[in-house]
Amino acid sequence: GENVEQHPSTLSVQEGDSAVIKCTYSDSASNYFPWYKQELGKGPQLIIDIRSNVGEKKDQRIAVTLNKTAKHFSLHITETQPEDSAVYFCAAFFGNQFYFGTGTSLTVIP
Amino acid sequence: DAGVTQSPTHLIKTRGQHVTLRCSPISGHKSVSWYQQVLGQGPQFIFQYYEKEERGRGNFPDRFSARQFPNYSSELNVNALLLGDSALYLCASSLMSGDNQPQHFGDGTRLSIL
Repeated sequence: GENVEQHPSTLSVQEGDSAVIKCTYSDSASNYFPWYKQELGKGPQLIIDIRSNVGEKKDQRIAVTLNKTAKHFSLHITETQPEDSAVYFCAAFFGNQFYFGTGTSLTVIP
Repeated sequence: DAGVTQSPTHLIKTRGQHVTLRCSPISGHKSVSWYQQVLGQGPQFIFQYYEKEERGRGNFPDRFSARQFPNYSSELNVNALLLGDSALYLCASSLMSGDNQPQHFGDGTRLSIL
């Protein structure tokens, strides 16, 4: 089956700095890669996604890049704000299901 | 518009009991998936249903079962509860099943087994 590795597990940045979270996947057939933000006591919220025919996608302060050859994809958050503090999960679709990374706890220090 | 709704929000059971968790998808969404999230881990896939048919099953024992109703809502049933079943159970809905369908999650049911 698919395996998704996510790094780092924890990340602290100063407000206004950038944050980068990286994921690698094992199966080259994967072709859809969403990112989720989960706040305490809430379910995961879809924040951005990318399909395999695209190398980069941006939505305001959030961007995702995909390198299919290397089988890795990354989440970039620019101009971080305290409300960006949460746990972020990457995921990859393979076969008939999504496989999730183990999460990155992001803390933005005011 | 209402998002994915799950009930109950919290539940406490004892070992050996059974439990039924409920999920209503976003209006217009026909596919529902269930996930188990243990503290400190990402969600792990249990089932996917589309048009009332099971479309996928994760690596969970037969004690776990689910169904989808004509209105696309869904139930997850777990029998013979074990301590290890304590987790957040998440429901996600999407327009259809398939490999490029964004999934939208509810806030989950926190299940505690004593």
